[in-house]
Amino acid sequence: SQQGEEDPQALSIQEGENATMNCSYKTSINNLQWYRQNSGRGLVHLILIRSNEREKHSGRLRVTLDTSKKSSSLLITASRAADTASYFCATGPSGAGSYQLTFGKGTKLSVIP
Amino acid sequence: ETGVTQSPTHLIKTRGQQVTLRCSSQSGHNTVSWYQQALGQGPQFIFQYYREEENGRGNFPPRFSGLQFPNYSSELNVNALELDDSALYLCASKRDLGDTEAFFGQGTRLTVV
Repeated sequence: SQQGEEDPQALSIQEGENATMNCSYKTSINNLQWYRQNSGRGLVHLILIRSNEREKHSGRLRVTLDTSKKSSSLLITASRAADTASYFCATGPSGAGSYQLTFGKGTKLSVIP
Repeated sequence: ETGVTQSPTHLIKTRGQQVTLRCSSQSGHNTVSWYQQALGQGPQFIFQYYREEENGRGNFPPRFSGLQFPNYSSELNVNALELDDSALYLCASKRDLGDTEAFFGQGTRLTVV
């Protein structure tokens, strides 16, 4: 079953604009990660934020986490056509023996040149 | 390039047949997980292997089984294929069980007809 739900399901923006994607989840987590997937191929890890962190930056990426609302957002600034892909949030659950990543359904981002 | 390779890239099988998918992890990575991604969905966790033993399983029936070998390669076997098994199958390796970042292969696209 899917834990996270991304919003919106699809997003179309012009090159240079910022793109914001949101993710909500249901259970307690140890960390939340964002992945990118090009054309239904492999997933590429973008950024991880731990449950005791509120914001994290990596290059043009900014991730926020609100554990009280069980939500996260991914901001891509100054988007490029090469950012066109599907973006997934994945949660790593808390608790001993936790091992699996639970993914949402993803946001499909199209950046128009 | 994540250093994780999967074979074959595409495969077509007939309902009722058996299939074996292969994954070669990064050298030194002792943990491998398998995920199923149906079209338009996020990946769903099938199972995880750590040092050649299964140590976690998602909500998949026993006809989904796996093996992990000492040379950092692994297999996913699916018996009695059903049409709903058509999906992208992804393997992901980690250096160690407690690591948070997983490195995904490009996936095998399985079509069951």
